[in-house]
Amino acid sequence: KQEVTQIPAALSVPEGENLVLNCSFTDSAIYNLQWFRQDPGKGLTSLLLIQSSQREQTSGRLNASLDKSSGRSTLYIAASQPGDSATYLCAVDNNNDMRFGAGTRLTVKP
Amino acid sequence: KAGVTQTPRYLIKTRGQQVTLSCSPISGHRSVSWYQQTPGQGLQFLFEYFSETQRNKGNFPGRFSGRQFSNSRSEMNVSTLELGDSALYLCASSSGQGYYEQYFGPGTRLTVT
Repeated sequence: KQEVTQIPAALSVPEGENLVLNCSFTDSAIYNLQWFRQDPGKGLTSLLLIQSSQREQTSGRLNASLDKSSGRSTLYIAASQPGDSATYLCAVDNNNDMRFGAGTRLTVKP
Repeated sequence: KAGVTQTPRYLIKTRGQQVTLSCSPISGHRSVSWYQQTPGQGLQFLFEYFSETQRNKGNFPGRFSGRQFSNSRSEMNVSTLELGDSALYLCASSSGQGYYEQYFGPGTRLTVT
């Protein structure tokens, strides 16, 4: 059974810092991995999707990497802003069965 | 393109009642997945429908059921509500084929009293 772990559970940084969020999974036979952002009480917003054959994806200040062999993915956020404050979730898709980590709650202080 | 819509946004029900939630996917998407989110358990997969057929199912009791219509709209039903069913219910739509990306709706907040 796929298990997804996210470290750290919470992170607080001053504005402008670069930061890394971590996601690990136990079953490397994944279809794809997706990073989401969730604001309090709201739905999920897709940030980046990495296919199993890819190593990384970039969108603006965000860069996500995937290492299937070690069961890890990282989300890199450059030059963080207060508007980046949210919970970040990674989700692993094992052929139509999507498993989520518990998320990292990020606070960016002005 | 309109996003995923869910109705109602908020619901308050009493133990023992039943409830039906609705999800309209992005136009052209044929897959709809349902999730339950609670502070204690996080996001848990309920089931996925593709072209009116349940393609995958999570580990929830039979009180949780769903269906998908020919226009890809989906409904989720919970019978004999329990206090522990209080949660944010999210649906996500995707093309359902290939390396598809999931797009989430705003969710329905269900409170069982």
